[in-house]
Amino acid sequence: EDQVTQSPEALRLQEGESSSLNCSYTVSGLRGLFWYRQDPGKGPEFLFTLYSAGEEKEKERLKATLTKKESFLHITAPKPEDSATYLCAVDGDGTASKLTFGTGTRLQVTL
Amino acid sequence: SQTIHQWPATLVQPVGSPLSLECTVEGTSNPNLYWYRQAAGRGLQLLFYSVGIGQISSEVPQNLSASRPQDRQFILSSKKLLLSDSGFYLCAWRLTGSNIQYFGAGTRLSVL
Repeated sequence: EDQVTQSPEALRLQEGESSSLNCSYTVSGLRGLFWYRQDPGKGPEFLFTLYSAGEEKEKERLKATLTKKESFLHITAPKPEDSATYLCAVDGDGTASKLTFGTGTRLQVTL
Repeated sequence: SQTIHQWPATLVQPVGSPLSLECTVEGTSNPNLYWYRQAAGRGLQLLFYSVGIGQISSEVPQNLSASRPQDRQFILSSKKLLLSDSGFYLCAWRLTGSNIQYFGAGTRLSVL
């Protein structure tokens, strides 16, 4: 059974204070690791897909990296608008792409 | 471009009442469709998925059912709601050949 564990559960940063979110996963055959951003009361918004160890993707202040056991979402010089819950998910089922999600990291960026 | 619609956004229902949540996708054909539930402090739980009209796979035994009467329409139903059915319900779609899922805005269901 696929498993995804995210840490920390919550993270409070000051504006400009860089940090990383962790996603550890166990899957028999990784067909993709996904990062989503979710604002309160909204549906998750797709950020990145990573497919193989060593792969990196960037979008504005966010950078996602992947190893064989975990993924990191690095946030550089965050702004208050980066405050959200960040969800990690894995696709270990190629046919139907059934995603297994972690419980998320709730990020708060203050002035 | 493709868009996904879910309604209603918020719903308050008494225990034992029926439920019907609807999801539609525009701008694509033959999408794979998914229903998830998100409970407070827990990850998204896959409830149902569909690869085509009339084809429904259930992931979790429960009080809910799903139907896909048209190519781009996915419906989540219940005959009698339980308190434990409360939660945030999300519909998602993906194109065949891609494994990226895109989510709707969600429905907040409170069963009282």
